[in-house]
Amino acid sequence: AQTVTQSQPEMSVQEAETVTLSCTYDTSENNYYLFWYKQPPSRQMILVIRQEAYKQQNATENRFSVNFQKAAKSFSLKISDSQLGDTAMYFCAFMKPFSGNMLTFGGGTRLMVKP
Amino acid sequence: EAQVTQNPRYLITVTGKKLTVTCSQNMNHEYMSWYRQDPGLGLRQIYYSMNVEVTDKGDVPEGYKVSRKEKRNFPLILESPSPNQTSLYFCASSSIGQSGGGYEQYFGPGTRLTVT
Repeated sequence: AQTVTQSQPEMSVQEAETVTLSCTYDTSENNYYLFWYKQPPSRQMILVIRQEAYKQQNATENRFSVNFQKAAKSFSLKISDSQLGDTAMYFCAFMKPFSGNMLTFGGGTRLMVKP
Repeated sequence: EAQVTQNPRYLITVTGKKLTVTCSQNMNHEYMSWYRQDPGLGLRQIYYSMNVEVTDKGDVPEGYKVSRKEKRNFPLILESPSPNQTSLYFCASSSIGQSGGGYEQYFGPGTRLTVT
């Protein structure tokens, strides 16, 4: 079974600065997918970024980028130029192909962006 | 507008009183699932369905039932709710495709359930 660990329960960052959220996972699979989801106070789950394990290039979406280290089983999220609207819970998630699309989530990191 | 809807959004009930949380999607997705969210544990899958009349257990299925009689609907049933089922519940849907997964899952707005 896969496990996903987010070791930082809470973090804070000043507006306009950069912050990195950590995620590690454990799997014996060689091919899989990794995701970061954002959950603002509205509770809606919003996909931030997606990475395919067989792609070496790190995924990037505007101010959000990942550092995917397959050998280390690490998948950190970097948020550049943090904005107040980035305040949210962030969840790292793992998906194994042909597994019924099941997402295995980490426990989450609560990020507070301070003005 | 493509969306997943859930009802009710909030529910307070008593132990043992059967309840159903509805979920509907308008994207013609084959795959639907239910998750529960608890502090510090993230989201954990309860049940999922790959298509009509095809359902399977996730990580935490005890105390829950589901059915998939229509492609768009995937209700979650608690036959005899207990206080340990107090949680935030999410329904999600996605395509499956041919590549084995990796597609974005679209989540509903969540249902806050309290069982006293």
